[in-house]
Amino acid sequence: SQQGEEDPQALSIQEGENATMNCSYKTSINNLQWYRQNSGRGLVHLILIRSNEREKHSGRLRVTLDTSKKSSSLLITASRAADTASYFCATDAKKTSYDKVIFGPGTSLSVIP
Amino acid sequence: SQTIHQWPATLVQPVGSPLSLECTVEGTSNPNLYWYRQAAGRGLQLLFYSVGIGQISSEVPQNLSASRPQDRQFILSSKKLLLSDSGFYLCACSTGQYNQPQHFGDGTRLSIL
Repeated sequence: SQQGEEDPQALSIQEGENATMNCSYKTSINNLQWYRQNSGRGLVHLILIRSNEREKHSGRLRVTLDTSKKSSSLLITASRAADTASYFCATDAKKTSYDKVIFGPGTSLSVIP
Repeated sequence: SQTIHQWPATLVQPVGSPLSLECTVEGTSNPNLYWYRQAAGRGLQLLFYSVGIGQISSEVPQNLSASRPQDRQFILSSKKLLLSDSGFYLCACSTGQYNQPQHFGDGTRLSIL
């Protein structure tokens, strides 16, 4: 079964609005990562948050992690049309090699100009 | 910083033909290397990973194989392609150190006819 699953599967918002995507996972983790994928391209790493961290910021991105609920959220503030992409969470699993991660199915974000 | 080169970008092959996809890495030594497959609108499925030359781990039984003849070269192969081998193939690398992100190439879109 998948380790991480994003919610919602698809999200459509107006430019300037905030976008929130959630990720839930099943087993204990060392870290959780968020990636972005533009259509037809490879994934680009956005943020890594460790299991002992609760919140992390990078520019317009804010990631939270709640290990008690086994969930994470990615918030994109003041969205732009260029933010249109698919967003994936990826988790490692403490019982496996630390360098292997499992990707969720992703959230497809559309930002309408 | 690490750069992943993948080629070709697109490939159309008949059923039963052989396959060879190549991935090379710049900017790091002794990386961990990964091959993923992504179905349309879906997440990434890890196919193979390698922690060193000649060391290949397979995640799922399938019609594909991988080899790592040099430190920064990772090859995905098949002797006879199946229709189900169609998909978007992504190569990725990481430093192998703890809590480090993966860096992706731009992928190969493989269509089997």
